[in-house]
Amino acid sequence: AQKITQTQPGMFVQEKEAVTLDCTYDTSDQSYGLFWYKQPSSGEMIFLIYQGSYDEQNATEGRYSLNFQKARKSANLVISASQLGDSAMYFCAMRAGPNTGTASKLTFGTGTRLQVTL
Amino acid sequence: GAVVSQHPSWVICKSGTSVKIECRSLDFQATTMFWYRQFPKQSLMLMATSNEGSKATYEQGVEKDKFLINHASLTLSTLTVTSAHPEDSSFYICSAPGLAELEDNEQFFGPGTRLTVL
Repeated sequence: AQKITQTQPGMFVQEKEAVTLDCTYDTSDQSYGLFWYKQPSSGEMIFLIYQGSYDEQNATEGRYSLNFQKARKSANLVISASQLGDSAMYFCAMRAGPNTGTASKLTFGTGTRLQVTL
Repeated sequence: GAVVSQHPSWVICKSGTSVKIECRSLDFQATTMFWYRQFPKQSLMLMATSNEGSKATYEQGVEKDKFLINHASLTLSTLTVTSAHPEDSSFYICSAPGLAELEDNEQFFGPGTRLTVL
């Protein structure tokens, strides 16, 4: 069974500062994918970044980067230069196995609520 | 990116009635769709996998007779909550996986349906 653990229920960060949201995972699959989603109060799920288990380089997307440490089974999200609009829930999720049909289902962590302050 | 729509965006119903939620992939075909449920301040939990042309696969603990899923076409999956009760009040979100050829392709989520059962 797959498991995603997010140990930070809430985080505060000052505007323009960087923040790291923690995520650890557990799976017996050799091939898997790790995702981060942002969920504002409206409820929509906004895709932020993806890291494949075989990717040797850490993924980056604009102000988002994923600190992937495979041996530690961690996939932390780093948000640089935080903005007020970054305030939201952030979910780490894992797809165990390849991206094909029914195997693409995601297992989510419990989420971290990020609050960006002035 | 691809677009997934859900209808209705919110619904209020009386206890004992049935509610149908539609999930549509607007610009791509989805042989598989996923239905998640999110209780307030909690994570997304997979309820079932909807498969076009075959029966849905339900996660452990989800009553298939209560949550009826029909994948009528390559662009439409419906979730019917039968004889809804207040404990079924939740945020229901559907998603569809991207192209299997793209390992890093994200899941495309609908905007969600907020169900309130009185």
